[in-house]
Amino acid sequence: QELLQESGPGLVKSSETLSLTCTVSRGSISGYYWNWIRRPPGKGLEWIGQVYYTGSTHYNPSLKSRVSISLDTSKNQFSLRVRSVTAADTALYYCARGGYIYGADAFDIWGQGTEVTVS
Amino acid sequence: QSVLTQPPSASGTPGQRVTISCSGSSSNIGRNTVTWYQQVPGTAPKLLIYSNNQRPSGVPDRFSGSKSGTSASLAISGLQSEDEAEYYCASWDDTLNGYEVFGGGTKLTVL
Repeated sequence: QELLQESGPGLVKSSETLSLTCTVSRGSISGYYWNWIRRPPGKGLEWIGQVYYTGSTHYNPSLKSRVSISLDTSKNQFSLRVRSVTAADTALYYCARGGYIYGADAFDIWGQGTEVTVS
Repeated sequence: QSVLTQPPSASGTPGQRVTISCSGSSSNIGRNTVTWYQQVPGTAPKLLIYSNNQRPSGVPDRFSGSKSGTSASLAISGLQSEDEAEYYCASWDDTLNGYEVFGGGTKLTVL
């Protein structure tokens, strides 16, 4: 079974750029949708966006102006960048896979999550 | 405020049947499938139900999903203490070029 692991700084200064990477191991990026989801403290899950293995992307309209998601197939990784962060971007960030036999928007494999605090 | 509406909390005693509702609109649940996730504190969400009422392998048949119009429900029968968790519904929304939307989550307490 594929494993996903998020990595990146746990602390980002306000107005700077948050950058996270998700490494896909024991499997391939090909054929799937790769997603970023976050959970702010005390709140529910929020979908940030996704990149298909072809490179096409979809973003949450509320974040679209500040977010970009990209793919590095040579490293079996995909990345998230959020520009001009504020305290509202403080959250537990997850990467997740979609597009297996359960459907494009059924996320069957998740990373363990990484906490990001905006100071 | 979440696009999909769930009750913030639900509860039941061991062995009981509980249901959790999820209300949406014609642009999401009304035209797309519903997915349910279970998140136990301190762990990542787990796929529970996909395509409205299908269970991935390994999910007990105590969990079932249904959809009618612009609403969906998750039912848990034979409630067990390990079912205590946060439950989220999700669906694709076709507005604004399309995006995934989640409910606000329902905290299930097993009394």
